[in-house]
Amino acid sequence: NAGVTQTPKFQVLKTGQSMTLQCAQDMNHEYMSWYRQDPGMGLRLIHYSVGAGITDQGEVPNGYNVSRSTTEDFPLRLLSAAPSQTSVYFCASSGGGWGQETQYFGPGTRLLVL
Amino acid sequence: EDQVTQSPEALRLQEGESSSLNCSYTVSGLRGLFWYRQDPGKGPEFLFTLYSAGEEKEKERLKATLTKKESFLHITAPKPEDSATYLCAVVHYGGSQGNLIFGKGTKLSVKP
Repeated sequence: NAGVTQTPKFQVLKTGQSMTLQCAQDMNHEYMSWYRQDPGMGLRLIHYSVGAGITDQGEVPNGYNVSRSTTEDFPLRLLSAAPSQTSVYFCASSGGGWGQETQYFGPGTRLLVL
Repeated sequence: EDQVTQSPEALRLQEGESSSLNCSYTVSGLRGLFWYRQDPGKGPEFLFTLYSAGEEKEKERLKATLTKKESFLHITAPKPEDSATYLCAVVHYGGSQGNLIFGKGTKLSVKP
């Protein structure tokens, strides 16, 4: 099992550019989520999904879109990048049911917006 | 407001000097409390899940305990390789399914 994988590892964007952060898991988990991590702020939830075709907003969703067409993949789209979106992004997954709340994280994508 | 607070923010220990990290939470109905370890430039690595007050989990030099208001991560005779940031997070019944609320972490440094 590869667990949770994320690509790219590092990306530099210019303000206004768009991009997609990829996330995939091979554990057949129903629940997937995206977090951003900023110094002094801790991990904050952006969007999450409880299964294919179902997504919802987290604490800091503005400027980001998600979709979930398969159980395995949960891409995060930045529509028009802003310097405030410079951060480290983590994808996570879990079984989602009672007793399966433990989330497993990917290695992260470091994003710099100039 | 649902909140998770970790203390101290940073902790420096000598190798072999045991200590504890604290995670206090104010949520309506705890469903689970989680401890993660995060090394620089890496994603959080799962350590423990605790579900009910009085529960304890152990792994090598680490032991996690849970009360109704807080959790402790006890580190016994730490080694330099235990240096990392330790994150605490909770899931509660009042929140959306499975969503974690994280504390800001405790950065642990263990000197040889």
